[in-house]
Amino acid sequence: NAGVMQNPRHLVRRRGQEARLRCSPMKGHSHVYWYRQLPEEGLKFMVYLQKENIIDESGMPKERFSAEFPKEGPSILRIQQVVRGDSAAYFCASSPRVGTNTGELFFGEGSRLTVL
Amino acid sequence: DAKTTQPPSMDCAEGRAANLPCNHSTISGNEYVYWYRQIHSQGPQYIIHGLKNNETNEMASLIITEDRKSSTLILPHATLRDTAVYYCIVSAGANSKLTFGKGITLSVRP
Repeated sequence: NAGVMQNPRHLVRRRGQEARLRCSPMKGHSHVYWYRQLPEEGLKFMVYLQKENIIDESGMPKERFSAEFPKEGPSILRIQQVVRGDSAAYFCASSPRVGTNTGELFFGEGSRLTVL
Repeated sequence: DAKTTQPPSMDCAEGRAANLPCNHSTISGNEYVYWYRQIHSQGPQYIIHGLKNNETNEMASLIITEDRKSSTLILPHATLRDTAVYYCIVSAGANSKLTFGKGITLSVRP
């Protein structure tokens, strides 16, 4: 059973470009969480999604950031018009559906965004 | 904001037990205590969680005080590969986000 898969692992963008980060949850998992880790800082919650629904986006910046988890395919975190302050590691985590969920999150290895 | 307090760092000798403390004095009755660790810049790794009883798995033991206001993660025989940042988190569990604090940096020395 493959773990949480994130790609790309490393992404370089110039200021003003768009960044798209993808996350495929573990098989059978229908909940996805995105976290951001700035250099030398802790992980900050961004957004929690179930298939086709955003459940909690309290940690998402109000502008330029969006996330989706479509019925088919991976979850996407999209950052428009990137700025240098967006340079960070973005981690995705997944958990099973309700009823099988102990609250444990399974994390991917992260996508490291560098904005030049 | 994180609802736990951990010392910023500690070290222990390889082969010895590492006891990592955590205070969570405002924990609610339905909240669990979770421990994760992050080795270097890898993705966080789940270690163990508990509600009020002590728990043990192949990685560690979790001791929760009777009043549930604090807990201790025990790595029984620390190795160099256990050097990491360890996060103590309280959460309502299923389908609840985890709020990470600063964690405690454990350094295992040879």
